[in-house]
Amino acid sequence: QQQVKQSPQSLIVQKGGISIINCAYENTAFDYFPWYQQFPGKGPALLIAIRPDVSEKKEGRFTISFNKSAKQFSLHIMDSQPGDSATYFCAASKSGNQFYFGTGTSLTVIP
Amino acid sequence: SAVISQKPSRDICQRGTSLTIQCQVDSQVTMMFWYRQQPGQSLTLIATANQGSEATYESGFVIDKFPISRPNLTFSTLTVSNMSPEDSSIYLCSVVIPYEQYFGPGTRLTVT
Repeated sequence: QQQVKQSPQSLIVQKGGISIINCAYENTAFDYFPWYQQFPGKGPALLIAIRPDVSEKKEGRFTISFNKSAKQFSLHIMDSQPGDSATYFCAASKSGNQFYFGTGTSLTVIP
Repeated sequence: SAVISQKPSRDICQRGTSLTIQCQVDSQVTMMFWYRQQPGQSLTLIATANQGSEATYESGFVIDKFPISRPNLTFSTLTVSNMSPEDSSIYLCSVVIPYEQYFGPGTRLTVT
């Protein structure tokens, strides 16, 4: 059973546009929600993360929006750039030990 | 933080042989994980390898096929045994420092 559901599977955005990737979870015991960015030939790297006691976290052009009641969270990439083209994974963790990953979103930013 | 290196970075192996992947971490960590990632796919957890205890395998993965060693807090190996083309994948080593997960660069395995 997929603990974290992620959509869309792929996304194409024009340079300067907003990229939005959505995730949903069921287990209310999750207390940490990170996003990872993975470039071809590299391992995933932590991009930004949020705890459920806040509804939004922003770091530069990257923002996580968190809706605890709906058990959903999303990644917004503002002013998307070709260098943002990568695969993005959402994840959820309980107690920061084991992480459950979404299925990934392949983002392509067209110049 | 943690910096992870893996060896080899890639290999092409013949069916029926075995390959051992090494994972080295630049700091002492208790929790270490091995994942498999098919190209363009998500991460599938193979096993958890905490130092001082037997590795714990996820459903669908068995010790005879994927034996793991964890001799100390900075090193682990994963062996892919009796390989078949279905084992062609990227194998990733990962460590967790609570609430922060770090990944190695991966080992790209092709079985012919």
